[in-house]
Amino acid sequence: SQTIHQWPATLVQPVGSPLSLECTVEGTSNPNLYWYRQAAGRGLQLLFYSVGIGQISSEVPQNLSASRPQDRQFILSSKKLLLSDSGFYLCAWSVRQTRNEKLFFGSGTQLSVL
Amino acid sequence: GQQVMQIPQYQHVQEGEDFTTYCNSSTTLSNIQWYKQRPGGHPVFLIQLVKSGEVKKQKRLTFQFGEAKKNSSLHITATQTTDVGTYFCAGRNQGAQKLVFGQGTRLTINP
Repeated sequence: SQTIHQWPATLVQPVGSPLSLECTVEGTSNPNLYWYRQAAGRGLQLLFYSVGIGQISSEVPQNLSASRPQDRQFILSSKKLLLSDSGFYLCAWSVRQTRNEKLFFGSGTQLSVL
Repeated sequence: GQQVMQIPQYQHVQEGEDFTTYCNSSTTLSNIQWYKQRPGGHPVFLIQLVKSGEVKKQKRLTFQFGEAKKNSSLHITATQTTDVGTYFCAGRNQGAQKLVFGQGTRLTINP
């Protein structure tokens, strides 16, 4: 069966520090991969999505970046964190088929930038 | 761009009461999905609606997709404490890759 791993679960970082969040998917090949951010008590904002290795689409211009070095690995990074980067970060994957793909989410990373 | 609006933002009910959340899109959708996020958890897929006017049921949950494929609703009959959480709708335009989420409706229940 397919599983998605996301780590760390919680992270406290000072302003200006770098960030690296990692997500891996097991049990499937060629998944679509996504990074979402959820501010406290709010909806899901799509940050990046990827349909293949090295293929990244950015939805929101900001100081975050994403990379997909391997088929089932998705990394979210920042060189210098801002206070506004605090939030709940969720990685998700979907089977690449038609338009009717459902998302499977990881357990999320709660990031606090202080 | 495509927008998906969801109301209400919050809903508090007594256990046993019914609950409904509504979702409206600014554009015609190819399909709509519903997710549930328990407090402290991650969103979990509930269901997908594809056809105009489609109605699907999962036990006490009833999902509807509008005739024009621009709105949807989730109705829970006789809520239970296990229904607590935030319910999100998410829609995708015809031929689009991106799934756009509504802001969610947070349901709390008084036992």
